[in-house]
Amino acid sequence: DIMMTQTPPSSPVTLGQPASISCRSSQSLVHSDGNTYLNWLHQRPGQPPRLLIYRISNRVSGVPDRFSGSGAGTDFTLRITRVEAEDVGVYYCMQSTQFPRTFGQGTRVEI
Amino acid sequence: EVQLVESGGGLLQPGGSLRLSCAASGFSLSSYYMNWFRQAPGKGLEWISYISSSSSVIKYADSVKGRFTTSRDNAKNSLYLQMNSLRAEDTARYYCVRGLDLWGQGTRVTVSS
Repeated sequence: DIMMTQTPPSSPVTLGQPASISCRSSQSLVHSDGNTYLNWLHQRPGQPPRLLIYRISNRVSGVPDRFSGSGAGTDFTLRITRVEAEDVGVYYCMQSTQFPRTFGQGTRVEI
Repeated sequence: EVQLVESGGGLLQPGGSLRLSCAASGFSLSSYYMNWFRQAPGKGLEWISYISSSSSVIKYADSVKGRFTTSRDNAKNSLYLQMNSLRAEDTARYYCVRGLDLWGQGTRVTVSS
């Protein structure tokens, strides 16, 4: 199974300031079709998760452009340019290159 | 409205069985692969099953393989998760997900004696 490791586990942030979360996979996430299926999800307290970014850097429709994803191979990063109050919660990276799908442990973002 | 609504959760004893349902509305389920995920109380997310749009490919996490069965009825726009031989560690909120981009609110399953 592919192990996903996220850092930091928690991130105290200041409104209006940037934040970043790292995610590392135990093996390359490049699929045989050439795509890299690394996704980022956000879960607010008491809510189901929501897909933010798919295939490393593609924002889902409606996701603000202050969110961006980058990386390649085994190392990936989610960045928030200016944190807003609604961004609190837990962020998960998840790989869908291979079965079983696996998640990072989550990064709690709190103001 | 495009949404997924799970149902069928509840409290039951170890060894019991439960069938979860997921009703899709606002779109045709037949066009999408579907996943089941779960989240134990206070814990992270766990993928448990995938089913292709035609049911030709079905995958399971090792933690549920041989005990859980995923199926779908595209004519009814519904997805199902049959859970047998339930264990305390299956206690979680179970989410039905269209691909990865549309999540239901989840249904809670508690396994306890």
